[in-house]
Amino acid sequence: EAQVTQNPRYLITVTGKKLTVTCSQNMNHEYMSWYRQDPGLGLRQIYYSMNVEVTDKGDVPEGYKVSRKEKRNFPLILESPSPNQTSLYFCASSLNRVTYEQYFGPGTRLTVT
Amino acid sequence: AQSVTQLDSQVPVFEEAPVELRCNYSSSVSVYLFWYVQYPNQGLQLLLKYLSGSTLVKGINGFEAEFNKSQTSFHLRKPSVHISDTAEYFCAVSLGPGNTGKLIFGQGTTLQVKP
Repeated sequence: EAQVTQNPRYLITVTGKKLTVTCSQNMNHEYMSWYRQDPGLGLRQIYYSMNVEVTDKGDVPEGYKVSRKEKRNFPLILESPSPNQTSLYFCASSLNRVTYEQYFGPGTRLTVT
Repeated sequence: AQSVTQLDSQVPVFEEAPVELRCNYSSSVSVYLFWYVQYPNQGLQLLLKYLSGSTLVKGINGFEAEFNKSQTSFHLRKPSVHISDTAEYFCAVSLGPGNTGKLIFGQGTTLQVKP
């Protein structure tokens, strides 16, 4: 089954404790992206990747890192999480650019205390 | 800078009534436009998109949208809604050719279909 998976689905952590949210797709997609969803703000793009080793900033990249060492994986790294990064995070992928349909993962709800 | 504004945060409507969800954008260059739907506790899925050509775009589940360049709008419509259409709807914009990675979403509109 074609899908985007994210782990963990739920995470509660403390300020400053490094964490990684994994994202994996099995559709051989070149394009992958991370978003955060906050009430009243919609989805905001954090980072995106057009292919392996090619990443670029979205609208809200501060406090986040990404890497794309393999085509299927696009982890989101929070080196020193802060409470303002409490949010619902979505990973998405598409064939090779944003104009193609993006397939979204189920989301990761992160709480930073 | 580009921005997307969804003019209604919530739209209540009775089942089988028509509905319009409004979306306006601002951009100094040509854009690609999208509508996504998010059902409760799920990720988003694409409803429809406008890249070029006919300004009336048809999508899944009976939805359609019309691109109006002079009004910089991309409103979503459905002639008769069902209870199952209850969800949050997001309008999004991407810059045209030359920028194929960045995507900007609106704030979302919650469609509440009542029996």
